[in-house]
Amino acid sequence: AQTVTQSQPEMSVQEAETVTLSCTYDTSESDYYLFWYKQPPSRQMILVIRQEAYKQQNATENRFSVNFQKAAKSFSLKISDSQLGDAAMYFCASTGGATNKLIFGTGTLLAVQP
Amino acid sequence: EAEVAQSPRYKITEKSQAVAFWCDPISGHATLYWYRQILGQGPELLVQFQDESVVDDSQLPKDRFSAERLKGVDSTLKIQPAELGDSAMYLCASSLPQGIEQFFGPGTRLTVL
Repeated sequence: AQTVTQSQPEMSVQEAETVTLSCTYDTSESDYYLFWYKQPPSRQMILVIRQEAYKQQNATENRFSVNFQKAAKSFSLKISDSQLGDAAMYFCASTGGATNKLIFGTGTLLAVQP
Repeated sequence: EAEVAQSPRYKITEKSQAVAFWCDPISGHATLYWYRQILGQGPELLVQFQDESVVDDSQLPKDRFSAERLKGVDSTLKIQPAELGDSAMYLCASSLPQGIEQFFGPGTRLTVL
């Protein structure tokens, strides 16, 4: 069975600093995708960044980038120049197989200190 | 910008009562997902539709939960009877056919007393 593990229940970062959120996964699929979703308080979940497993190059979206280590099954999220609006719960997720359903980790609550 | 709509946003009910949640996916999104998110945990898939057909309902407690998407557009998730352990956020998401990215609605927060 696919599993996604986030070992950091809470993280804190100073505004303008950089923070890295950790995620490990386990899958038997050869073709899969990895995602980081952001869930702000009382707001809907939105996609932050995604990585196709077959791509060696790490994905980047503005201040957000990932460190994808396929052999280690590790998929961390780096947020640079942290902003107050980055404060949210962050979920790592993987998908694969015919149905593309998402398997989520337990989340990391990120606080941004002014 | 098109969004996934869900209603109600909040629902409080007593155990043994019936509850229903509604979801309207983004237009053109043939795939619809219902997830349950228990406080402190990540969402878990309950049921997935492709148009009006169920693709995956392996984690749906079928003795009390039911889901339908009769015309392949909007969907209803029902719980009857509700139990205390059903208190959670119920999220609906949709995606294009064969699409990878799922778009989430705001969720329905259910509290069972």
